[in-house]
Formats: sequence, structure tokens, C-alpha cells
Amino acid sequence: AQSVTQLDSQVPVFEEAPVELRCNYSSSVSVYLFWYVQYPNQGLQLLLKYLSGSTLVKSINGFEAEFNKSQTSFHLRKPSVHISDTAEYFCAVTPVVGRARQLTFGSGTQLTVLP
Amino acid sequence: KAGVTQTPRYLIKTRGQQVTLSCSPISGHRSVSWYQQTPGQGLQFLFEYFSETQRNKGNFPGRFSGRQFSNSRSEMNVSTLELGDSALYLCASSLEGREQETQYFGPGTRLLVL
Repeated sequence: AQSVTQLDSQVPVFEEAPVELRCNYSSSVSVYLFWYVQYPNQGLQLLLKYLSGSTLVKSINGFEAEFNKSQTSFHLRKPSVHISDTAEYFCAVTPVVGRARQLTFGSGTQLTVLP
Repeated sequence: KAGVTQTPRYLIKTRGQQVTLSCSPISGHRSVSWYQQTPGQGLQFLFEYFSETQRNKGNFPGRFSGRQFSNSRSEMNVSTLELGDSALYLCASSLEGREQETQYFGPGTRLLVL
């Protein structure tokens, strides 16, 4: 079984400031890792993912996340946030082995960007 | 390509009733998964269907069921609704083979049980 911990339920930050949203996971098997973003009254949008290869992955809108296997972490960072980044962010994992698709999510981090 | 679509978007029911939610996956995607999102429990996996067969199931009571049709469209049904079933129900689809691990979500159906 897997579990995902997002330690910060709310992160307020001023516009143009850097931000880090933390994600740690626990799993007895290798996992793929994902960050999803949810805007109010919408579904989940895939932000970025780590499958293999370079441990630093980037999204098209300036977010990046680094997979750290020894610390079982996948923290999300952005050097300069915008008002439009205000949303809830979810970290998720799914096992590498097996064909069944099941995401295990963290409890989410509400990012609020202040003017 | 069109994304995952879910109907209806909003639904109000009363306790004891049953409800059916529909999900159309991205064209070419054959795996469909369902999740329940509530403020208290967060995002929880309900079940996954592939080729009209339930391939994986989460820890939900038997009142929650689903099915998948030959065109990969999926429905989920909740019988004997309880107040605690009020939630956002999200459907996700994924490919088999390359990129099979990545799930793409629909906008969700918001169910309110009174």
C-alpha cells in the first residue's frame, strides 16, 4: 500500500515570491509520482509527473518538482508565483508494477497568492 | 482531442434514492477510474474498469457500483443514497501501453444528497 503526506494544508504567499509545496510518500514498491492542480469548481489537471530518468521535472507554466528517492519526497517549487496560481495542489503516486491504475493522493495544499 | 467528459455536472438527490453518473473517456483510452472527493476524506479511489471488466476496487461499500461499455464509456451507480455520499465524483481515463500510468481527469459531477 502507498500513502502520501502533504504537510502544509495552506500556503499563503505574495505575488512574485518563490514557493515550495512539500510532498512525502511511503511505499513498499516503486512508484510513479504526480502533481495535479484543482481550480475552484473544476476537476484535476495534470501539472507534472515523474516516471523515470532525470529526477527534476518541469511544467510549461514554470513549476518544477524533484524526485528524491532517499528522502521519499517530490516537492513542488516555483521561483515566482502569479495570482493565477491560486488553487489546490495534490501530490499523488501509483505503483510502477502492475496494470491496475489507482492513484493515492495526499490531502492537498491550498496555495493562495496574495497581491 | 476532446477531454474526459462527465454528465451531469450537478445533481441533487434525497436520502434513499439512487443515482447514475456517466463518464466518457478521451478517445482511445480504455481504462476508466472513478474517485470520490470530499472535504473530510479527500480524494479516494472507487474502482477502475478496463475492457468492460472491473480491474481494481477501492474500499467502498457495495452500494457503489460501476460498469463499462464496449465503447469504453463508464457509469457509476450509488444506491440507497446517504447524506455522506455528497461529494464531487471524478472520472479519469488512461491509455494502455505507453503512458498508461498517467490519468486524465474530467470536470466531475457534484452530488448533493439531502
